[in-house]
Amino acid sequence: DTVLTQSPALAVSPGERVSISCRASEGVNSYMHWYQQKPGQQPKLLIYKVSKLASGVPARFSGSGSGTDFTLTIDPVEADDTATYFCQQSWNDPYTFGAGTKLELK
Amino acid sequence: EVQLVESGGGLVQPGRSLKLSCAASGFTFSNYGMAWVRQTPTKGLEWVASISTGGGNTYYRDSVKGRFTISRDNAKNTQYLQMDSLRSEDTATYYCARGGVQLGPFDYWGQGVMVTVSS
Repeated sequence: DTVLTQSPALAVSPGERVSISCRASEGVNSYMHWYQQKPGQQPKLLIYKVSKLASGVPARFSGSGSGTDFTLTIDPVEADDTATYFCQQSWNDPYTFGAGTKLELK
Repeated sequence: EVQLVESGGGLVQPGRSLKLSCAASGFTFSNYGMAWVRQTPTKGLEWVASISTGGGNTYYRDSVKGRFTISRDNAKNTQYLQMDSLRSEDTATYYCARGGVQLGPFDYWGQGVMVTVSS
């Protein structure tokens, strides 16, 4: 299975820029997606196919990367962005998710 | 507004069966592939199964092949997950999600339903 590795946690101040990384154990072409999950809620799609913004998602969120290294950037970070962020690939079978990066605001 | 509402979860003994349902609204259900994704604190998010728009193509992760069956009824705007021979490791919150076929992301998710497999 394709393993997606994310750093476990980050802490930033409101107004700052934060980059959340996701490294894949093998190539995923451009089929990398990002989700936000707040406590007690279902995941919500933020970015699909590396850099495409999902419907209704603020332009503060952006995605980049290629091959095996991908990044979700939030700029500027707001208090409401406190959540866990997951990457997910849909190029290799089975589809897999990263373990998530918990974003905390200082 | 897209809505996905799961039902059918609960406590079940190992080896028994359970059937989850997901009622969809707010979009043309028959135009979209659908999927089930589960989540546990230890394993995180795991894709479980997907089904094509007409139901003719189904896909499963290896650990559930032969035990779980995904299906859909486009007339009822509902998808299902029949889970047989349940194991303790199937304990999770199960989410219904739109998409998950033809390389696409899961663009909408239900609120989730808990399945606990325990004696």
